[in-house]
Amino acid sequence: SQTIHQWPATLVQPVGSPLSLECTVEGTSNPNLYWYRQAAGRGLQLLFYSVGIGQISSEVPQNLSASRPQDRQFILSSKKLLLSDSGFYLCACLRGGFYGYTFGSGTRLTVV
Amino acid sequence: SQQGEEDPQALSIQEGENATMNCSYKTSINNLQWYRQNSGRGLVHLILIRSNEREKHSGRLRVTLDTSKKSSSLLITASRAADTASYFCATEKNQPGGGNKLTFGTGTQLKVEL
Repeated sequence: SQTIHQWPATLVQPVGSPLSLECTVEGTSNPNLYWYRQAAGRGLQLLFYSVGIGQISSEVPQNLSASRPQDRQFILSSKKLLLSDSGFYLCACLRGGFYGYTFGSGTRLTVV
Repeated sequence: SQQGEEDPQALSIQEGENATMNCSYKTSINNLQWYRQNSGRGLVHLILIRSNEREKHSGRLRVTLDTSKKSSSLLITASRAADTASYFCATEKNQPGGGNKLTFGTGTQLKVEL
C-alpha cells in the first residue's frame, strides 16, 4: 500500500523567508501527486498536481511553485513567503480504482 | 472555486443516531468520493462512488449519487463518538492534459455526543 511522508509537521517562518516542503511516496511508481492547502476551518484548495517527473500543473496563481525532481518526490517552494501563505499543506497521491487518494499527515505553516 | 458544497456545515447528534451529510457539485465527474479528517490531521478516504452508480455501502456508511441533480449524500448509521470529525466530498475528473483532478467541497463538521 502507498505511504506518503511529509515533513515537517509544523513550521513557523517569517514573512519574506523561503519555503521548501517535501513529500515522498512509498509503495508505488509513477504516481499522480498533488499539493493542497487548507485554510483554518475550510475545505481543501488544489494548488499543484503532477503526472510525472518534471510535469507540473498549477491550479491557481500564487506565490508558490512546485517541482518533481524524482518519480516519488514532490516539492512545494516559495522564494518569499507572504502572510497569506499560512495554512495546512497536504500532499496526496492517487491510488486509483475504488481506493481514492492517499494523503500525507500535513504541514501546518504559520507565516509571521 | 469549490466544486462541491456540503450541507450542513455543522451537525451535532447523539451517539446511536444516524448522520446525513449532503454534497452538491457543478460539473460532470468521473466519480465522487468522501473523506474524513480528524482535527489537524490528514484526510482518510472513506468511499468512492462512480458516476454510473447510484448507491454504495461500506460498513455503516451509505453513499448515494444523483448525477441529474449533481448531488450526493453520506449516511453514517448508528453513529459513535469516534465518528466525530470533518467530512468532505470530493469530485474527480480527468484532465485534458492528462491526470485526474480531485476537487473538494467545504466540509461538514460532525460532532457525536455521548
